[in-house]
Amino acid sequence: AQSVAQPEDQVNVAEGNPLTVKCTYSVSGNPYLFWYVQYPNRGLQFLLKYITGDNLVKGSYGFEAEFNKSQTSFHLKKPSALVSDSALYFCAVRDRAGGSYIPTFGRGTSLIVHP
Amino acid sequence: DVKVTQSSRYLVKRTGEKVFLECVQDMDHENMFWYRQDPGLGLRLIYFSYDVKMKEKGDIPEGYSVSREKKERFSLILESASTNQTSMYLCASSLNRGSPYNEQFFGPGTRLTVL
Repeated sequence: AQSVAQPEDQVNVAEGNPLTVKCTYSVSGNPYLFWYVQYPNRGLQFLLKYITGDNLVKGSYGFEAEFNKSQTSFHLKKPSALVSDSALYFCAVRDRAGGSYIPTFGRGTSLIVHP
Repeated sequence: DVKVTQSSRYLVKRTGEKVFLECVQDMDHENMFWYRQDPGLGLRLIYFSYDVKMKEKGDIPEGYSVSREKKERFSLILESASTNQTSMYLCASSLNRGSPYNEQFFGPGTRLTVL
């Protein structure tokens, strides 16, 4: 079985400060991991993914995420937050071993960047 | 760019009506998905299709059916709409069933209200 947890419903950060949105996962094999962003009244947009290789993955809009196998985490980070980064962020996982082509999504974390 | 379109952004229907939600993608993707999104619950998979005329139930298929007669089109049907089906409905597509690490592309969503 595969599952993903986003332990924070909301993250608040001041503009210009670094931001972190947390994600932990559980799979029986090795994971494929994804981050998506949803702006108000829009569908989800893909930000970045981890398949294999380098644990630090760089994505769109200056975001990056670090895969940590020992902590089963894939936290989303950005060195300097913008007000325009305020949105809903979803982490998703697929288990390579399970044979499923369907990802499991977390419940989402609302990021609020204050001016 | 991949484009996933949904037939309506906002829809208001009455209890008991039959409702059709249409989704079209223009990049020849094999996989198509229907999710519903509710506050605090994240994305929940209703149905998944990996080929024309093929479908698999997701986590919450009750009260819904789907149709995929052409590769680019995936329809969600509410046979008899009920108030608990008021939600945001998101369609997504992804490339190639044999590559589970491919990201999904989402439509803008349909906000359905059942009165």
